[in-house]
Amino acid sequence: EIVMTQSPGTLSLSPGERATLSCRASQSVTSSYLAWYQQKPGQALRLLIYGASSRATGIPDRFSGSGSGTDFTLTISRLEPEDFAVYYCQQYGSSPRTFGQGTKVEI
Amino acid sequence: QVQLQQWGAGLLKPSETLSLTCAVYGGSFSDYYWSWIRQPPGKGLEWIGEINHSGTTNYNPSLKSRVTILVDTSKNQFSLKLSSVTAADTAVYYCARPILYTRALEYWGQGTLVTVSS
Repeated sequence: EIVMTQSPGTLSLSPGERATLSCRASQSVTSSYLAWYQQKPGQALRLLIYGASSRATGIPDRFSGSGSGTDFTLTISRLEPEDFAVYYCQQYGSSPRTFGQGTKVEI
Repeated sequence: QVQLQQWGAGLLKPSETLSLTCAVYGGSFSDYYWSWIRQPPGKGLEWIGEINHSGTTNYNPSLKSRVTILVDTSKNQFSLKLSSVTAADTAVYYCARPILYTRALEYWGQGTLVTVSS
């Protein structure tokens, strides 16, 4: 099983600032099959990024993903008030699909 | 417009079997692997398993001995059964559909809180 580790656990920032979230895999992620999700309280997850760097439908371009192998990054270029949430990475290149423990982006 | 609507019992006693169903509205049913994921209160996410329209399944080894995922293509539904539940199985359970040709989960059900308590 591939273990996904996210850092930091919590990121305290202000609207307009840049957020950089990290996700590290315990072994190489097949074909960069890496996704990022956003979750707000009481809501299901929202897919932001798949294939490490492709934005999902309707996702603003302030969200970008990068990385390959074992190290991946989600960048939010300028935080909007609605971006304060928990973010999860997930590898889906091998079974079982595994998630990171999440990074909370707070004001 | 793709929608996933899920339902099932929300309160179980230890040793009972959890049973949830997810109905898919809109889009193709046969082109995807359909997933179940769970999230214990205040905690992270665990992938439970997936199934395609032919009934081919992949399960998380941590749950494999207790999990069954079934598909009913005549109704565009798939279901989750988890046997011998304990308090550790208390979680919000989600069904989900990926982006075509990937396993990145694009559409999600509304979630069902299942509580296991005596």
